[in-house]
Amino acid sequence: DTEVTQTPKHLVMGMTNKKSLKCEQHMGHRAMYWYKQKAKKPPELMFVYSYEKLSINESVPSRFSPECPNSSLLNLHLHALQPEDSALYLCASSQSVDGYSNQPQHFGDGTRLSIL
Amino acid sequence: DAKTTQPNSMESNEEEPVHLPCNHSTISGTDYIHWYRQLPSQGPEYVIHGLTSNVNNRMASLAIAEDRKSSTLILHRATLRDAAVYYCILIRLTGGGNKLTFGTGTQLKVEL
Repeated sequence: DTEVTQTPKHLVMGMTNKKSLKCEQHMGHRAMYWYKQKAKKPPELMFVYSYEKLSINESVPSRFSPECPNSSLLNLHLHALQPEDSALYLCASSQSVDGYSNQPQHFGDGTRLSIL
Repeated sequence: DAKTTQPNSMESNEEEPVHLPCNHSTISGTDYIHWYRQLPSQGPEYVIHGLTSNVNNRMASLAIAEDRKSSTLILHRATLRDAAVYYCILIRLTGGGNKLTFGTGTQLKVEL
């Protein structure tokens, strides 16, 4: 069982829909991450939040909008996605002291997103 | 970020040791070596990390070359559950959380 919970596990949406992915952890971690993983490829970092502030955006298109409402929650808001955005979206968290973290990242099992 | 090179795939028999190599010839003095694995239909899972000295934990051992240009993840007795993609990743501490840049990894197959 993973300590990082992602919902929903599967999501199918049309290109004009608006939906959100949710990630929750209760380990007291202050760094949280979103990754995108295409089939048979390694995960790619999208966003990093440190102490609820966005610290890294890997040039992700604006149709993906992250939000960190508190230290336990991380959302990814989706709008006007394209078929090529179909992928597994992974959330992770890690301890962070003063923004620096060499601690392991704990991953959820992801949301499998399909864009019709 | 410094890059890592791993074999695409390796095979092992159950109950035998497995040595998974990783080359990182451009590693800098402040880069940590992390290993993660990803089982089918799951998110990546942390395995072990180190800086200069060899490290052991309940899952595996990490052997780091003296010049730090390569490392080896050692699974002492492979089981079927160890069949996964293993990623060797270099991490440089930043002020905004750590940034994992996954390479293509090594697909480990374990047979009876």
